Amino acid sequence: SQTIHQWPATLVQPVGSPLSLECTVEGTSNPNLYWYRQAAGRGLQLLFYSVGIGQISSEVPQNLSASRPQDRQFILSSKKLLLSDSGFYLCAWNSWTANTGELFFGEGSRLTVL
Amino acid sequence: DAKTTQPPSMDCAEGRAANLPCNHSTISGNEYVYWYRQIHSQGPQYIIHGLKNNETNEMASLIITEDRKSSTLILPHATLRDTAVYYCIVRPMDSSYKLIFGSGTRLLVRP
Repeated sequence: SQTIHQWPATLVQPVGSPLSLECTVEGTSNPNLYWYRQAAGRGLQLLFYSVGIGQISSEVPQNLSASRPQDRQFILSSKKLLLSDSGFYLCAWNSWTANTGELFFGEGSRLTVL
Repeated sequence: DAKTTQPPSMDCAEGRAANLPCNHSTISGNEYVYWYRQIHSQGPQYIIHGLKNNETNEMASLIITEDRKSSTLILPHATLRDTAVYYCIVRPMDSSYKLIFGSGTRLLVRP
C-alpha cells in the first residue's frame, strides 16, 4: 500500500532563518507531488506541483521554492523565512496512471515564524 | 479560482442527514465534481467524486443535478466525527495535476 510521510510535524523558526520541509511517498512510482499551504482559518492554497524529477511548477509567487531530487521525494525550502510564511503545510500525491484525481495527503507540518 | 461556491458554514444534529450544497455553474462537460473534507489539524480526506450520475460509497452520497451546475453531498447519518470543513472541487478530466481548493463549508454536527 502507498504511504506518504512529511516532516517535521511542527517547527518554530525565527524570521530570516532557512526552512526545509521534506515529503516522501512509498509504494508507488512516478507520482504527481504537491505542496499546499493553509494559513490560520483559511483554505488550502496550492504552492507547487511536480509531475516528475526536476519538474516543478509554481502556482503563486512567494518566498518559497520546491525541489524534487528523487522520484518520490519532494522538498519545500526557503532561504529566509517571513512572518507570512507561517501556516500548515501539506504534501500530497496522486497517480498519473490512475488519473482518478484523488489526492492523498500527508500529516502536515505546522510552521510558526516568530 | 476555485470555480465552486459553497456556504461558509452549516450545522446539523447528530444522527440526522447533513446535506451540503455546492454551486458550480460554469462547470465544463469534461470536469468531475470532487468532495474532500478536512478535520481540524489534519490533511484533507477524499470522500467521493462524480461526473454525471449520482454516486454512493460507504462515506456519503453525491447528487449531481441534471444540468451539472450544482451538486449536494449527503452524509446520511451525521456523527460528531463528521464535524469538519467540506470542500467541493471541480477538476478537468484532461489534467490529473491540480486540485484547487476553495474555502469550503464548515460543518458542525451538534450532539
